[in-house]
Amino acid sequence: GQQLNQSPQSMFIQEGEDVSMNCTSSSIFNTWLWYKQDPGEGPVLLIALYKAGELTSNGRLTAQFGITRKDSFLNISASIPSDVGIYFCAGHRGVQGAQKLVFGQGTRLTINP
Amino acid sequence: EAQVTQNPRYLITVTGKKLTVTCSQNMNHEYMSWYRQDPGLGLRQIYYSMNVEVTDKGDVPEGYKVSRKEKRNFPLILESPSPNQTSLYFCASRTGQLNTEAFFGQGTRLTVV
Repeated sequence: GQQLNQSPQSMFIQEGEDVSMNCTSSSIFNTWLWYKQDPGEGPVLLIALYKAGELTSNGRLTAQFGITRKDSFLNISASIPSDVGIYFCAGHRGVQGAQKLVFGQGTRLTINP
Repeated sequence: EAQVTQNPRYLITVTGKKLTVTCSQNMNHEYMSWYRQDPGLGLRQIYYSMNVEVTDKGDVPEGYKVSRKEKRNFPLILESPSPNQTSLYFCASRTGQLNTEAFFGQGTRLTVV
């Protein structure tokens, strides 16, 4: 079943505001991935994190792999209309031959111009 | 262009009428999987395949079948669809190596009446 708790479930913000969302789990993950899903499309990878404590940026996006390996956050600075969509966290658990990619419930971002 | 292709994109069918959603990837990926996306529940894995002729149940396999006769194709079969299978379905693929990102198709919106 679902093993990642993502929050918030939805956000309504003004254009230009910063956004923060996070994922937590009671289990340890090997990686954390952040995906974005545009309306009518499949999820697309934004940022991948591979080591505990890692902080990675991709343009206005910044994500961190929690030091305990049980959480991650994604920040978006100075939001713009094209940031609208659903953001998913995901993490790899397990070892070679039995690894599983688990997803959070998603955060739906709505931006008022 | 590297991609995962699903067909059809939209499908409306009646209860009990067998259907197949096709998925094909051109990246020579070993690992393929099917997810369903429902509001508030995120992406839940239905079935996955680690390679040709190797398939296994995900978190919500009831009412679905899959096959993996060729590396590039991973069809999802609903033998007797029911209204609770109305959902948005995604196929994804990734390499068999550890901690690799999943690439998603554009989705199939299925309505069972």
